Amino acid sequence: GNSVTQMEGPVTLSEEAFLTINCTYTATGYPSLFWYVQYPGEGLQLLLKATKADDKGSNKGFEATYRKETTSFHLEKGSVQVSDSAVYFCALSPSPLGAGSYQLTFGKGTKLSVIP
Amino acid sequence: DGGITQSPKYLFRKEGQNVTLSCEQNLNHDAMYWYRQDPGQGLRLIYYSQIVNDFQKGDIAEGYSVSREKKESFPLTVTSAQKNPTAFYLCASSRGSPTNEKLFFGSGTQLSVL
Repeated sequence: GNSVTQMEGPVTLSEEAFLTINCTYTATGYPSLFWYVQYPGEGLQLLLKATKADDKGSNKGFEATYRKETTSFHLEKGSVQVSDSAVYFCALSPSPLGAGSYQLTFGKGTKLSVIP
Repeated sequence: DGGITQSPKYLFRKEGQNVTLSCEQNLNHDAMYWYRQDPGQGLRLIYYSQIVNDFQKGDIAEGYSVSREKKESFPLTVTSAQKNPTAFYLCASSRGSPTNEKLFFGSGTQLSVL
């Protein structure tokens, strides 16, 4: 079946540090890949996405590149801020032509804390 | 403002009791979802509905039931058959398949067992 593996947290960084959160996936076909973010006390919201190999998703200074050869979709940001403190979830949606395309599969989440 | 409203924010269940979590959206979205979030477990799909009057089981449907009689409403009932119901429950909606359309999430309901 489909699965997403994220690096274990929590991750604690100083403000302006470089961020990488690793994400690898297992899926058949050509899934779409996503990063969702959950700020304290809120539901999740989409941060960025990529729908095919070598696509780069970007938003709010965050980037992730869909690497089919390594089945990865690592999240990066060059300079984190205190306001980036949240839980980050990597997710995949199966190939749109396959069964279960409404079943988004999430990783376990990585908690990021940014200290001033 | 358009969005998803979950209620209540906190809910307590006694042993053997059924409880219902409310989820309402005014985004005119066709698809709605229920996820369960446990610490260190991420989100797991309970049920989803692609369109009104239709719904499918997700990965952990046992002990739960849903209905989709109206487009804007997707209530989740946690039955007494669910032996470990304590968790944070998130409702979401989307215009179509999450492959192409982003999910909008509510702010969640924390369910605890007394």
